Formats: sequence, structure tokens, C-alpha cells
Amino acid sequence: KQEVTQIPAALSVPEGENLVLNCSFTDSAIYNLQWFRQDPGKGLTSLLLIQSSQREQTSGRLNASLDKSSGRSTLYIAASQPGDSATYLCAVRGLTGGGNKLTFGTGTQLKVEL
Amino acid sequence: DADVTQTPRNRITKTGKRIMLECSQTKGHDRMYWYRQDPGLGLRLIYYSFDVKDINKGEISDGYSVSRQAQAKFSLSLESAIPNQTALYFCATSDPRGGGYTFGSGTRLTVV
Repeated sequence: KQEVTQIPAALSVPEGENLVLNCSFTDSAIYNLQWFRQDPGKGLTSLLLIQSSQREQTSGRLNASLDKSSGRSTLYIAASQPGDSATYLCAVRGLTGGGNKLTFGTGTQLKVEL
Repeated sequence: DADVTQTPRNRITKTGKRIMLECSQTKGHDRMYWYRQDPGLGLRLIYYSFDVKDINKGEISDGYSVSRQAQAKFSLSLESAIPNQTALYFCATSDPRGGGYTFGSGTRLTVV
């Protein structure tokens, strides 16, 4: 059974700092990995999608890497801003079983302070 | 318009009542999903459907049922709501060609 862990559970940084969020997964047989952002009480917004054959994806100030063999992904946020404050969720899509289901971590709650 | 639309956004219901949550999507994808989110537990899969004639149980399907009325519509029902079904419910669709998932804005359900 796939398990996804995100560390740290919560993080508070001053504005302008570069930061890294970590995601690890137990089964390396994945189809892809997706990072989402969730604002309090709101839906999930997709940030980056990395296919299993890719090493990284970039979008603006965000960069996500994937090391499938070691079961790890990182989300790098450059020059953090207060508007980046949210919960960040990592999810892996399996290759088989359960409809290639998406397994989520419990998230990292980020606060960027002025 | 949002790619995945859920209604209602918020609902308070009494124990024992039947309730239906609705979802529609404009992505044109065949695959649709229902998840629930609880604090500290992450999102867990309730049911999923690969096409109109395909319905599959997820990891926490007890107490729930679904109906796939059309490619674009997938509804979730609680036949007799109980307080521990209080949660944030999400509908999603996925691109089977290797694309990611797209989620709706969620329905906050409270069972009193």
C-alpha cells in the first residue's frame, strides 16, 4: 500500500526566503506525482505535475523535482511571498490497482510572514 | 466557469437524512472521483468511475453510494447521514493520457 509523507507538517518563514518542502513515498512504481496548493476551506489548485520519466518541472517561482528510485520529491519556492501562505499537498498516482488512484500526503502548512 | 463544479458548497444536515452531493465537469474526461478530506488524515478515495457504466469502490465507501448520470456528471449520496461523515468532500476528474487531476472547490458537509 502506497504511503506518502510530507515533512515538515508546518513551516513559518519570513518574506523573501527560499524554501523547500519535502515529500516521500514508499512505492516507487508511480505514474506521476502532483503538487497541489490548498487555501483554508478551499479546493485544491494544481501547481506542478511530474511524470515518472521526468526529473523536474518548473512554473514561475516554483520548481518540483522527482527522484523516483529513492521515493522523494521536493517543491522549491523561490522568494516567498505572504500570498504563498497555504497548505501544500503532494500526491502520487499509482501504476496499477484502485483506478491508478491518487494517494495524498497530509500536507505542509506554510506561513510566510511580512 | 470552473472545470469541475460541485454543489452545494456548504450543507448542514441532520443525522439520518439522505443527502446528495453533485459534481459536473467540462474537461471531457471519462474518469471521475469522489474524495473526502478530514483534518490530519489527508484526502481519501470514496468512489471512482471510468465511464458511465463503470463504478468502483474506493478505500472508504461504506455509507456512501454514487451515480454516474453522464460523462460529465457524478453524484455522491449519503443514504443515512451520520456525524462522522462531517468532512470536506471533493470531486475530481483525471486525464487518462498521463495528465493530472483537476479538483472541484469542495462541499463542506456538517452532519448534526
